[in-house]
Amino acid sequence: DAGVIQSPRHEVTEMGQEVTLRCKPISGHNSLFWYRQTMMRGLELLIYFNNNVPIDDSGMPEDRFSAKMPNASFSTLKIQPSEPRDSAVYFCASSTTSGSDTQYFGPGTRLTVL
Amino acid sequence: GDSVTQMEGPVTLSEEAFLTINCTYTATGYPSLFWYVQYPGEGLQLLLKATKADDKGSNKGFEATYRKETTSFHLEKGSVQVSDSAVYFCALSDSGANSKLTFGKGITLSVRP
Repeated sequence: DAGVIQSPRHEVTEMGQEVTLRCKPISGHNSLFWYRQTMMRGLELLIYFNNNVPIDDSGMPEDRFSAKMPNASFSTLKIQPSEPRDSAVYFCASSTTSGSDTQYFGPGTRLTVL
Repeated sequence: GDSVTQMEGPVTLSEEAFLTINCTYTATGYPSLFWYVQYPGEGLQLLLKATKADDKGSNKGFEATYRKETTSFHLEKGSVQVSDSAVYFCALSDSGANSKLTFGKGITLSVRP
């Protein structure tokens, strides 16, 4: 299997611009997670979906962040407008819907907002 | 709510040294427990897991035992290698159906030749 695919791998943008991060989960997985990782705050769960439905978005920092999952094989995380403090590595992960099942992480998108 | 506490880092060891990384948790119900590893520039990957009390997870020479009485899941390896240098995360999954993970802060391990 190809694993979780994320694009782009690196993104450099200027403050105020819209940023869209993309994720393709592993085929057959019905849970999808977006995380953010920074030195200061560590690994934070932003939002997760089960069967394409958002279940918990309490980790989304503010209204500038939005996430969608239009079908089982694609999700986006959008930041509009972006700010320098959004600079981080954003990970997508997928799993089957079970409390003991493994989450498989993508390679991440390193976002730099200037 | 659920939480995971890891020992403070970073940790630096010489090759072939014994490794212990402490992890304790707080959870309602009966969580599953995980250790994930992140190598430089990569995403997290599962190292090992345990789904019930007294289970031992093991992989690549690493081991951890699910201790319900002490709410712990300490990671051990008898002889570390330079290639084990990475960030290690302890995590738990709640017993519900949504497989949400709660991670510890992670600890950086550096192994010297």
